Amino acid sequence: NAGVTQTPKFRVLKTGQSMTLLCAQDMNHEYMYWYRQDPGMGLRLIHYSVGEGTTAKGEVPDGYNVSRLKKQNFLLGLESAAPSQTSVYFCASSSIQGMVETQYFGPGTRLLVL
Amino acid sequence: DAKTTQPPSMDCAEGRAANLPCNHSTISGNEYVYWYRQIHSQGPQYIIHGLKNNETNEMASLIITEDRKSSTLILPHATLRDTAVYYCIVRVAKGSGNTGKLIFGQGTTLQVKP
Repeated sequence: NAGVTQTPKFRVLKTGQSMTLLCAQDMNHEYMYWYRQDPGMGLRLIHYSVGEGTTAKGEVPDGYNVSRLKKQNFLLGLESAAPSQTSVYFCASSSIQGMVETQYFGPGTRLLVL
Repeated sequence: DAKTTQPPSMDCAEGRAANLPCNHSTISGNEYVYWYRQIHSQGPQYIIHGLKNNETNEMASLIITEDRKSSTLILPHATLRDTAVYYCIVRVAKGSGNTGKLIFGQGTTLQVKP
């Protein structure tokens, strides 16, 4: 049981380049999330998904797109990277028991946009 | 979701109990208290949650005051590996229309010293 995995672990992009970050979970969770964390700050929600084929915007969605074609995968895309998107990106999936939701996070992807 | 207040930093001697306080004076009746931690450069890790009663698991204990306006996370025998940023988060129960996002404040940086 690998939990939540993220690919790649680290990437350097030039301004204007595109890339896709992959998040995979093997816990059969319905809910998945993408967050970004800037130095010295808390996590901010980019996009999330409540099930296969559905996505929704979070706090800071501009410049990002997502897709959830398979339940176990949640992809985050940057169509035209900007230096302001330099950050650490965390994916999470959550289990729900009754009214309690617990999120499990991946190890993060460190992105540097030059 | 209610706002939380935590001290920015704390020290603890290895092997001693670490008691991390959190104030959530505006908490409402259907809001849970969650604790997560983030070890340097890693994804956040769920620790424990509670509603009214004190809770204990293999990682920690959570003490919630009777009026629910504050809580304390207790790591009974802190080790060097417990050095991390600890986040106290208050969230409404699932099914109350929330998106599931976790609002990470600044947290408490716990330094466990030998």
